[in-house]
Amino acid sequence: DTAVSQTPKYLVTQMGNDKSIKCEQNLGHDTMYWYKQDSKKFLKIMFSYNNKELIINETVPNRFSPKSPDKAHLNLHINSLELGDSAVYFCASTPRERGATDTQYFGPGTRLTVL
Amino acid sequence: GQSLEQPSEVTAVEGAIVQINCTYQTSGFYGLSWYQQHDGGAPTFLSYNALDGLEETGRFSSFLSRSDSYGYLLLQELQMKDSASYFCAVRRYGGSTLGRLYFGRGTQLTVWP
Repeated sequence: DTAVSQTPKYLVTQMGNDKSIKCEQNLGHDTMYWYKQDSKKFLKIMFSYNNKELIINETVPNRFSPKSPDKAHLNLHINSLELGDSAVYFCASTPRERGATDTQYFGPGTRLTVL
Repeated sequence: GQSLEQPSEVTAVEGAIVQINCTYQTSGFYGLSWYQQHDGGAPTFLSYNALDGLEETGRFSSFLSRSDSYGYLLLQELQMKDSASYFCAVRRYGGSTLGRLYFGRGTQLTVWP
């Protein structure tokens, strides 16, 4: 059974388009995250959701809008895609937001290429 | 804010021991995590230190010195499959940031036969 899954795995699109990435976790975790990994492998947190509630937006442009329909799902919608949005986007989950020792479980990633 | 420094690349041969260092500067430091990422794969958890000292998990060990803002990951009996990127990440406390990870830029380990 897949713990954290993302769709699609690859996404190629033109500048200016709007696209969505979906994430689901079947671990029963309360907290989910979106990370962006650039071409130099720098992994940076974007958003954190706890029980469907947005906890933090780490200075991400408002073209990026996360949505959590329930605590097992966290989707990422991106409007007006730009070249600089090309990256691998990882979803992750952890049992609780304030769990200092809790491991984060990452999804397989979505490689977004903006042409 | 926070900053983490780790070497960009390390190479070693099979069977050797390698140490990947990580120094950090952050407010509200809670602990240091290590993650492994193979090319094309997702980061996976290796180890976590909240207290000073050494944590051992099989061939991998991790060390933390809070007073020196320094930690390292030690990989023993290297195998080809250990070739991957290794990331240190700090956990911060305070407000709503507890549990959130801030990553270093990763160290690419190449293991040669």
